[in-house]
Amino acid sequence: DQQVKQNSPSLSVQEGRISILNCDYTNSMFDYFLWYKKYPAEGPTFLISISSIKDKNEDGRFTVFLNKSAKHLSLHIVPSQPGDSAVYFCAASAITQGGSEKLVFGKGTKLTVNP
Amino acid sequence: EPEVTQTPSHQVTQMGQEVILRCVPISNHLYFYWYRQILGQKVEFLVSFYNNEISEKSEIFDDQFSVERPDGSNFTLKIRSTKLEDSAMYFCASRLINYGYTFGSGTRLTVV
Repeated sequence: DQQVKQNSPSLSVQEGRISILNCDYTNSMFDYFLWYKKYPAEGPTFLISISSIKDKNEDGRFTVFLNKSAKHLSLHIVPSQPGDSAVYFCAASAITQGGSEKLVFGKGTKLTVNP
Repeated sequence: EPEVTQTPSHQVTQMGQEVILRCVPISNHLYFYWYRQILGQKVEFLVSFYNNEISEKSEIFDDQFSVERPDGSNFTLKIRSTKLEDSAMYFCASRLINYGYTFGSGTRLTVV
């Protein structure tokens, strides 16, 4: 049951160029989307998020775009830096029937930024 | 910046043994979670906990699993009789407001 899909397991870009990480989802009840960054042996750390009522959110070098009709979101990192090399997880949140909230994660995309 | 603390960082246990994974959430957070990531796979939701009770659990969270908040600060995940397939990174998370999750650095559980 892959409600959140990250179809690219890995991505390699040159330092200074743009990194674009993609995410697709199937559940139209998702109302909030988050990107997490994860280094080896560490927990996911929050990067940026977007509400379903918006189509773009920007924070410094990071911009998330949401296309609700296509059920697609993307994370743009520009310019990419070697320190951005990590696994990036797309996550979606929904309030369940019971009123609780949980995150559903994609499988992650390993980004490598080459100097 | 407040952190979610997990101990131990690595636990090796024999199949069939009980393990307890410990978490200290951020003190004013109200919602607590356990997630796990089997090597090479996605991060999966296990259970959410609010107001001293489980608010939701996944299919993975069967009778072998239990959670407790024994003393108002710790939040534990117990696996009663570990199986090889329980080997994974287990992440604790807490939040105060909607979507404001903070994750711990994880406990790597290896069942041999």
